[in-house]
Amino acid sequence: GENVEQHPSTLSVQEGDSAVIKCTYSDSASNYFPWYKQELGKRPQLIIDIRSNVGEKKDQRIAVTLNKTAKHFSLHITETQPEDSAVYFCAATPYSSASKIIFGSGTRLSIRP
Amino acid sequence: NAGVTQTPKFQVLKTGQSMTLQCAQDMNHNSMYWYRQDPGMGLRLIYYSASEGTTDKGEVPNGYNVSRLNKREFSLRLESAAPSQTSVYFCASSEALRGDTQYFGPGTRLTVL
Repeated sequence: GENVEQHPSTLSVQEGDSAVIKCTYSDSASNYFPWYKQELGKRPQLIIDIRSNVGEKKDQRIAVTLNKTAKHFSLHITETQPEDSAVYFCAATPYSSASKIIFGSGTRLSIRP
Repeated sequence: NAGVTQTPKFQVLKTGQSMTLQCAQDMNHNSMYWYRQDPGMGLRLIYYSASEGTTDKGEVPNGYNVSRLNKREFSLRLESAAPSQTSVYFCASSEALRGDTQYFGPGTRLTVL
């Protein structure tokens, strides 16, 4: 079945710098890769997603890249701000398996003022 | 439009007690999910319902049962609670089963003593 590994588990960056979170997946049939942000004590919320027919997608300060050959995808946050502090989860949805969106273990991002 | 709602928000049980977590969505979504979130382990799928009238096991179904009461409501039952079931439980819904954004409820923090 699908397995999603996420690195790093914690990340601390200076405000204004960029942050990069990386995920790898095992099922080559996976075709949908969402990223969720979870603030402390809150619910996970989708911030960006990418499908397997696209290599890169950008939304203001956040972008996601996908390398299907290497089976990895990354989240890039530029010009980081204090409100970017949260736990970020990547996920993969294998096409062959009826629901099974598999989440990575999460990255706790801290923005230093 | 409340989105996904869950009750209760907090619950403390003694080992062996039973309880039902309630979830409802008002977005006319077909698919609904129950996850548990433990520190450092991300979100793990307990059960899901692809559409009204169907339910299937996820990654960690043991000790739980579910009921898709109608299109709006999806409940999770713990028949005999164990300390290992101490966790935060999230309900989610999506329009389609595969490759679609999942919207999460606010979560239920459950402690089993």
